[in-house]
Amino acid sequence: DAGITQSPRHKVTETGTPVTLRCHQTENHRYMYWYRQDPGHGLRLIHYSYGVKDTDKGEVSDGYSVSRSKTEDFLLTLESATSSQTSVYFCAISGLAGESPYNEQFFGPGTRLTVL
Amino acid sequence: QQQVKQSPQSLIVQKGGIPIINCAYENTAFDYFPWYQQFPGKGPALLIAIRPDVSEKKEGRFTISFNKSAKQFSLHIMDSQPGDSATYFCAALQTGANNLFFGTGTRLTVIP
Repeated sequence: DAGITQSPRHKVTETGTPVTLRCHQTENHRYMYWYRQDPGHGLRLIHYSYGVKDTDKGEVSDGYSVSRSKTEDFLLTLESATSSQTSVYFCAISGLAGESPYNEQFFGPGTRLTVL
Repeated sequence: QQQVKQSPQSLIVQKGGIPIINCAYENTAFDYFPWYQQFPGKGPALLIAIRPDVSEKKEGRFTISFNKSAKQFSLHIMDSQPGDSATYFCAALQTGANNLFFGTGTRLTVIP
């Protein structure tokens, strides 16, 4: 394993409630990513971070925000969850701190989120 | 719009067979093409990857064939085993762009 943990692993919530998912890495990798996985779509990038406090949008960023206050933690927040955000969320990491972008991405175990 | 198109959606082969999964892309700026293997309840794990300067790459029983002019690449699994039963995703990325675009996945079942 690439030293990535995600919490919680499962969550059920109601429409309109805020939700925060956490990704924690022990590898000191510079880049961190949040993806969602849905049947028929594969994995799609939500947001990514290229350093502490440096983040950018991915392909499906609407309705999501992220924060990275420490190298090891990357948080994904759904400000007001909707049923369309029911999905499996994966965190990924790549690169080593201080080095150029490195293509190989390592994925965490995922968080299954259900919004009722 | 799907940046990487993958087929088939599902595949069933007998043990020892050679399943082939195909992917196609349009963006000629992509320069890194990985394949990921995912077991139920787990995250995707990198299996093998190729860059467009080579036409084939082998790692153990897994081979990527790459056709730059056709903008297609495929995964071949030699001597497939029941333990290879998983979902396989192809992906593509442009170095420096950070957005890894995935295909929709192929669920492979290898029958003993």
